[in-house]
Amino acid sequence: GNSVTQMEGPVTLSEEAFLTINCTYTATGYPSLFWYVQYPGEGLQLLLKATKADDKGSNKGFEATYRKETTSFHLEKGSVQVSDSAVYFCALSGNDYKLSFGAGTTVTVRA
Amino acid sequence: DSGVTQTPKHLITATGQRVTLRCSPRSGDLSVYWYQQSLDQGLQFLIQYYNGEERAKGNILERFSAQQFPDLHSELNLSSLELGDSALYFCASSVAEGAGYTFGSGTRLTVV
Repeated sequence: GNSVTQMEGPVTLSEEAFLTINCTYTATGYPSLFWYVQYPGEGLQLLLKATKADDKGSNKGFEATYRKETTSFHLEKGSVQVSDSAVYFCALSGNDYKLSFGAGTTVTVRA
Repeated sequence: DSGVTQTPKHLITATGQRVTLRCSPRSGDLSVYWYQQSLDQGLQFLIQYYNGEERAKGNILERFSAQQFPDLHSELNLSSLELGDSALYFCASSVAEGAGYTFGSGTRLTVV
């Protein structure tokens, strides 16, 4: 079945540091890949997505590239802010259309 | 505001009781998905409805059931509640299967 493995946290960074969260997946066919973000006390928000190989999703300074050869969709941001503190979830949607989520990575950015 | 409305936001109930969680999808979205988020299990897919019909089932217990009504709102019914059912329950909607999902802010269920 479909599954997502993402880097375990927690991750603690200083403001303006570089952030990367690794995500790899197992799926049949050609899944769509997503990153969701959950701020404290809130629901999940779609951060970015990519629907085919070599697509790059980007939003709010975050980027992730769909790499079929390495079955990866790593999330990166060049300069994080305190407001980026949240839990980040990698997810995929396969032929069955439901989202399969990774375990989530808690990111804390210190001023 | 994501456009997906979940009520109630918080619910505290005793073991053995039954509760109903409600979700109104974003306007125009036909698919509704229910997810459970707990500390030990992470985000687990429960069930999906598309335009009133059940389309997919995940790790949903037999004590749980759901339906989607003609106006497209959905209800998740949880019965014979156990302490382990305490979790955040999220609803998400999408305009079509496989399209981007929009999540509600969740219902926090506490079983005491």
